[in-house]
Amino acid sequence: DTAVSQTPKYLVTQMGNDKSIKCEQNLGHDTMYWYKQDSKKFLKIMFSYNNKELIINETVPNRFSPKSPDKAHLNLHINSLELGDSAVYFCASSQDRAAGETDTQYFGPGTRLTVL
Amino acid sequence: DAKTTQPNSMESNEEEPVHLPCNHSTISGTDYIHWYRQLPSQGPEYVIHGLTSNVNNRMASLAIAEDRKSSTLILHRATLRDAAVYYCILRDEDTGFQKLVFGTGTRLLVSP
Repeated sequence: DTAVSQTPKYLVTQMGNDKSIKCEQNLGHDTMYWYKQDSKKFLKIMFSYNNKELIINETVPNRFSPKSPDKAHLNLHINSLELGDSAVYFCASSQDRAAGETDTQYFGPGTRLTVL
Repeated sequence: DAKTTQPNSMESNEEEPVHLPCNHSTISGTDYIHWYRQLPSQGPEYVIHGLTSNVNNRMASLAIAEDRKSSTLILHRATLRDAAVYYCILRDEDTGFQKLVFGTGTRLLVSP
């Protein structure tokens, strides 16, 4: 069973469209994340949710709206897609840390978004 | 977040040991040193982490300098599957839920 899964794997769409990427984790983790990897391969955090509450929002445009219906899911909805949104989007999850431990993050396989 | 410096790329032959260096001269006392790697067309995966002492796991070893200003990820016998970008990341474990701040990493090339 895949620990962190994302759908779709590839997404090709036109500028101006609205699209969603879904993420599910079956690890029982409390925290989920979205990262973006651009064409230069820089990987950067976008959002983080803990127990369905937003805890990190890294100056991402308002066109990006994460939604967490439950602890196991964190979806990313993007409005009015722009050429610059083309990238690979990775979902990740981690468990809340116990004292003295670290929260290893587990990443999904990525969704390659191409905006034409 | 404290900054790390890694070589852009390194090469190795299969079945030879690989030492991937990372400099982090501005590391603070509560920063853990984490290593993740990203295989081609995959998401990053955790490799190892440590604070002060050297660490070993089934994937790799982490050697941390006594002053903690540098560390080395050691792959004891490189395989073709180890070809990836390796990221050295500092994380302050005292400040709650933590994002990972990725640098440019080291691209490891493994030749047969």
